[in-house]
Amino acid sequence: SQQGEEDPQALSIQEGENATMNCSYKTSINNLQWYRQNSGRGLVHLILIRSNEREKHSGRLRVTLDTSKKSSSLLITASRAADTASYFCATDYAWSFGNEKLTFGTGTRLTIIP
Amino acid sequence: GAVVSQHPSRVICKSGTSVKIECRSLDFQATTMFWYRQFPKKSLMLMATSNEGSKATYEQGVEKDKFLINHASLTLSTLTVTSAHPEDSSFYICSARDRADKPLAKNIQYFGAGTRLSVL
Repeated sequence: SQQGEEDPQALSIQEGENATMNCSYKTSINNLQWYRQNSGRGLVHLILIRSNEREKHSGRLRVTLDTSKKSSSLLITASRAADTASYFCATDYAWSFGNEKLTFGTGTRLTIIP
Repeated sequence: GAVVSQHPSRVICKSGTSVKIECRSLDFQATTMFWYRQFPKKSLMLMATSNEGSKATYEQGVEKDKFLINHASLTLSTLTVTSAHPEDSSFYICSARDRADKPLAKNIQYFGAGTRLSVL
């Protein structure tokens, strides 16, 4: 299986604290993405980091990528109650030109306590 | 922009019936759409890749005769669960990729809100 692992599986923190989630994957990738899923809903794309990038920021989100360790982390700073959701990393590998598909990690369920 | 509509959001059916789920890209054209299945508190498992105007590509272990996929236009793909049984009960999610030629745009998937299927 190409599926990645995420760590921790569940995380509960106080509002205002920072939340860090980690993702490990198995194959060489073109890029890595993070998605968010509210309970019983579809996924929303958060951020994409290319394989030749090491760090990327978007608002309160900071993503790092270490291709030598095949791992990535997502940091959410100054968490809010509305950040409560499941977070998935997703990696792609080209199985045929122009038809890259994503492999999703196992997800981290984040709960922000008001 | 980049809105994907999935319908219905919830369906309850009797065992043996067929259920059709629609996935539409509302404000962009999608050459490729994806169908996923998700079990409670689990990750997404890709079922098939749907390509406009051609046959879908199914993942290993997914029965193509059980899960019929049609992608007749650049904005619509449908998944039909044929002769549904209780073990088919799950959360089904579609996603679409913008056909735009931007280098990274094609890697981002835009998701529908999902369909909760319950087979009695």
